[in-house]
Amino acid sequence: QSALTQPPSASGSPGQSVTISCTGTSSDVGGYNYVSWYQQRPGKAPKRMIYEVSERPPGVPDRFSGSKSGDTASLTVSGLQAEDEGDYFCFSYAGGRYVFGTGTYVTVL
Amino acid sequence: EMQLVESGGGLVQPGGSLRLSCAVSGFTFSSFWMTWVRQAPGKGLEWVASIKQDGSEKNYVDSVKGRFSISRDNAKNSLYLQMNSLRAEDTAVYYCAPLWRYALDAWGQGTTVTVSS
Repeated sequence: QSALTQPPSASGSPGQSVTISCTGTSSDVGGYNYVSWYQQRPGKAPKRMIYEVSERPPGVPDRFSGSKSGDTASLTVSGLQAEDEGDYFCFSYAGGRYVFGTGTYVTVL
Repeated sequence: EMQLVESGGGLVQPGGSLRLSCAVSGFTFSSFWMTWVRQAPGKGLEWVASIKQDGSEKNYVDSVKGRFSISRDNAKNSLYLQMNSLRAEDTAVYYCAPLWRYALDAWGQGTTVTVSS
């Protein structure tokens, strides 16, 4: 039950875009369209940003978008804002169990 | 609005036990799979366990199998995690969350478990 692989960090200037990858296997990310993404600001509980690979819950800005190709899912944040800074985790169904990504800290320069 | 309040955390010695609770409101508890997730200090998130709406199916991460038990009381809108044979590596903030379309729909503020002598 290994964690999904994410880059430790990513950064961009305000207004730019940043894309975070989440690599798993055919048993998790590649096998199901059940990848979700969570934002966690320091000291706070996580917040769901994307579900089912690319669906946005109500209230989440359309600057956040998700996609998947094979065993790798991606989260893109367009038009970066200072409030987007924080940790981002992917989460995938894996056939009766679930697995998180290792997490990526996004810095807005 | 979905609300989840975790409780029951604290300081416990290695080998000890704790029972975490999660009280929910604002949604139909009995309609959702429920999940426990934990986060060790300065670390990432880890899925711990999930339970089906009627309690008939339970799944666990390998590292807690045989030591932790997830349960629920739909009449009380409550989720539980019985943790036995605790180890230092179980030290974490524990969150409960409902699963909706295979994603964690809402989160509480968590309860902290510290395993130390």
